[in-house]
Amino acid sequence: AQKVTQAQTEISVVEKEDVTLDCVYETRDTTYYLFWYKQPPSGELVFLIRRNSFDEQNEISGRYSWNFQKSTSSFNFTITASQVVDSAVYFCALSEANSGYALNFGKGTSLLVTP
Amino acid sequence: DAGITQSPRYKITETGRQVTLMCHQTWSHSYMFWYRQDLGHGLRLIYYSAAADITDKGEVPDGYVVSRSKTENFPLTLESATRSQTSVYFCASSEGTVPYGYTFGSGTRLTVV
Repeated sequence: AQKVTQAQTEISVVEKEDVTLDCVYETRDTTYYLFWYKQPPSGELVFLIRRNSFDEQNEISGRYSWNFQKSTSSFNFTITASQVVDSAVYFCALSEANSGYALNFGKGTSLLVTP
Repeated sequence: DAGITQSPRYKITETGRQVTLMCHQTWSHSYMFWYRQDLGHGLRLIYYSAAADITDKGEVPDGYVVSRSKTENFPLTLESATRSQTSVYFCASSEGTVPYGYTFGSGTRLTVV
């Protein structure tokens, strides 16, 4: 069963629009970690954020913000005032103790930002 | 240079051949992982290792073998390559039991013809 669901396969926005990427996860562990990674066209995986299950405080980093809600098992990612350089595939991932803390990835959301 | 290095970056091999993908990290991280990335599937875990001589299967281990005789190396071997193993392979490492972050290699693009 898919533990991390990214329902949006592709999103296309015009530059300066705000965009939210959805992530829903499933776990029975009380301690777990959630991540977002960015994969630009060049192919490398770039770490964006890590959040543990005990910290529901939302986080903002520049134009990026993350909303973690345990009640809905969601960890959504918002890009404010999107830019062309934000075009990439974004992956949400879950890390649990019972799988050796391996990252369990969603299938990714491909974001295209056009001028 | 410090970091995590995968080699080769690109590899073309024939069906039935054995091929080994290398992964080397310089941090002495305990955990290492192998993933494959395929269109429509995201990244899927093949094998992981919690320490030297400790390995475990992930979601898609069939057709692959790993070893970890030294902490810094985690090679992935395709014993008899098949076309379905054409993929981009990523190696990653993590510091410890509390995953502060995972660092990924640049990937190996493997084509099986």
